[in-house]
Amino acid sequence: SQTIHQWPATLVQPVGSPLSLECTVEGTSNPNLYWYRQAAGRGLQLLFYSVGIGQISSEVPQNLSASRPQDRQFILSSKKLLLSDSGFYLCAWSVRESAEQFFGPGTRLTVL
Amino acid sequence: AQKITQTQPGMFVQEKEAVTLDCTYDTSDQSYGLFWYKQPSSGEMIFLIYQGSYDEQNATEGRYSLNFQKARKSANLVISASQLGDSAMYFCAMREDFYNQGGKLIFGQGTELSVKP
Repeated sequence: SQTIHQWPATLVQPVGSPLSLECTVEGTSNPNLYWYRQAAGRGLQLLFYSVGIGQISSEVPQNLSASRPQDRQFILSSKKLLLSDSGFYLCAWSVRESAEQFFGPGTRLTVL
Repeated sequence: AQKITQTQPGMFVQEKEAVTLDCTYDTSDQSYGLFWYKQPSSGEMIFLIYQGSYDEQNATEGRYSLNFQKARKSANLVISASQLGDSAMYFCAMREDFYNQGGKLIFGQGTELSVKP
C-alpha cells in the first residue's frame, strides 16, 4: 500500500531563516506531487505541483520554492522566511491528474 | 470569484442522525471532478468521496454519499448515522480538467462539524 511521509511535524523558525520541508511517498512510482498551505481556519491553497522529476509548476508567487530531486521526493524550501509563511503545509500525491489526491500528515510551521 | 463555496462555517448534529454539508461550485468546464475531504484536529486531510461530472449516479462510500445536482452546481455531502468520530472540518474541492495539467484542486473554506452525544 502507498504511504506518504512528511517531516518535520512541527517547526518554529525565526524570520529570515531558511526552510526545508521534505515529503516522500512509498509504494507507487511516478506520482504527481503537490504542496499545499493552509492558513489558520482556512482552506488549502496549492503552492506547487510536479508531474515528474525536475518538473515543478508554481501556482502562487512567493519566497518559497520546490524541488523534486527523486521520483518520490518533494522538497519545499525558502532562503529567508517571512512571518506570513506561518501555516500548515501539506504534501499530497496522486497516481494521475484525474485521480483523487492523498495527503501526508502535514508540517505546522511557525515563523517568529 | 469563489470557485467553491461552503456556506456553513459550523454545523451541529446529534449522534446517529444524518447531516448534510453544503457545497456549490462554479466552473465553465464540461469535465471536472468534485471531492470531499475530512480534516480532524490532527490536521491530516482524509479523502472521503469523489464525483465525476459525467457520473450519472451519486457517489457513495459507506456512510458518505454525495448529492450531485449538476444543473444547480451543487455537490452536498451527506453523512448518515453520525458518529462522535465524525467531528472534524470538512472541505469540498473541485478539479477542473480543461488545461489543468497536474490536476490542481481548488478548496472551499470548510465546514466544522460537531457531533453531539
